[in-house]
Amino acid sequence: GAVVSQHPSRVICKSGTSVKIECRSLDFQATTMFWYRQFPKKSLMLMATSNEGSKATYEQGVEKDKFLINHASLTLSTLTVTSAHPEDSSFYICSAYRTGQPQHFGDGTRLSIL
Amino acid sequence: QKEVEQNSGPLSVPEGAIASLNCTYSDRVSQSFFWYRQYSGKSPELIMSIYSNGDKEDGRFTAQLNKASQYVSLLIRDSQPSDSATYLCAVNSGGADGLTFGKGTHLIIQP
Repeated sequence: GAVVSQHPSRVICKSGTSVKIECRSLDFQATTMFWYRQFPKKSLMLMATSNEGSKATYEQGVEKDKFLINHASLTLSTLTVTSAHPEDSSFYICSAYRTGQPQHFGDGTRLSIL
Repeated sequence: QKEVEQNSGPLSVPEGAIASLNCTYSDRVSQSFFWYRQYSGKSPELIMSIYSNGDKEDGRFTAQLNKASQYVSLLIRDSQPSDSATYLCAVNSGGADGLTFGKGTHLIIQP
């Protein structure tokens, strides 16, 4: 099956730090990548949709200047949480999509801001 | 506002029995429907996808879709303790759209 790699798996850092999360599709070229966020005991919420070479589309309520998305190639998308604060602590999960296939999820990044 | 509703549970089922999980969705233009399994602290794992009305079977799993009723279900036959997890129903308008997830049903298979 399709493999999506997400790195790092866990980050613990101080408030005010910027954190970069990478999402790579290892065995296929993803036309679109998605970023989701999951708070404890809640469901996944879509944050943004990312297409290679174009600006990401953010969901309502998600600050584009805080959550910077770069989609440099068909196999790599990055999410940078800028000036992270404790309320940004969450489980961030990416998914990769190619035409005709369901989305495949990475293993997620657990972000803890102290 | 797109919404996907699931009973949060927990749903407790004896080992070997059939587990039945239900989901309703609000957006009538939804075209693609998915069931994901999520273990605690892990990312979702795709179990089933279904796109047209009727039943779709894959091993012990059967997905059922009724677009007129805006209803999706997942049946797990011969339930095993390893099936204990949270099952997430997700929908989208097709293809390259983001998924809208339900809150998930916590399933417990009792040995």
